[in-house]
Amino acid sequence: GIQVEQSPPDLILQEGANSTLRCNFSDSVNNLQWFHQNPWGQLINLFYIPSGTKQNGRLSATTVATERYSLLYISSSQTTDSGVYFCAVTNNQGGKLIFGQGTELSVKP
Amino acid sequence: EADIYQTPRYLVIGTGKKITLECSQTMGHDKMYWYQQDPGMELHLIHYSYGVNSTEKGDLSSESTVSRIRTEHFPLTLESARPSHTSQYLCASSEWYEQYFGPGTRLTVT
Repeated sequence: GIQVEQSPPDLILQEGANSTLRCNFSDSVNNLQWFHQNPWGQLINLFYIPSGTKQNGRLSATTVATERYSLLYISSSQTTDSGVYFCAVTNNQGGKLIFGQGTELSVKP
Repeated sequence: EADIYQTPRYLVIGTGKKITLECSQTMGHDKMYWYQQDPGMELHLIHYSYGVNSTEKGDLSSESTVSRIRTEHFPLTLESARPSHTSQYLCASSEWYEQYFGPGTRLTVT
């Protein structure tokens, strides 16, 4: 089945810094989503982005489907950005999401 | 954005008990999913449904069962809880590809 790899596994930032998280996938996809899991365990939808570029405030994402990767950019990071960021994909008609192992982000004040 | 609800949020229960985790959504989505997540790890699909009276097992083997009698309701049942079932369980729904998640149930079996 499709493999999803995220990097880096851990990231520590000072408040105000920028960061880039990467998601590589091993096959063509018809869905790619980025999530933020908060300390209470809830998954927050950030982007639905099977291809192209989207922006939402300080966050933006780009997926290059032909090269099988996606990037999540966080600018001017805040302590509330801390948590685990997951990339997840589907590549068949079933809609079942395959998750990467996540990037754990810690933003220090 | 979808409204999807899970109860209870936290549950501590003894070995051998039967439990049902509730999941409901108000968006009329046909597709619903259950994922299991151990602390610090990725999510794994354990059950899914594409509509009423349709249920399938996911990629991760699970001793739980599910039912889909109404579009908005997708409960998960463990007939006899064991410590190995301790985990977080997240429910999701979708109309097409984009999935929306509930807040999760954190289950501890003692």
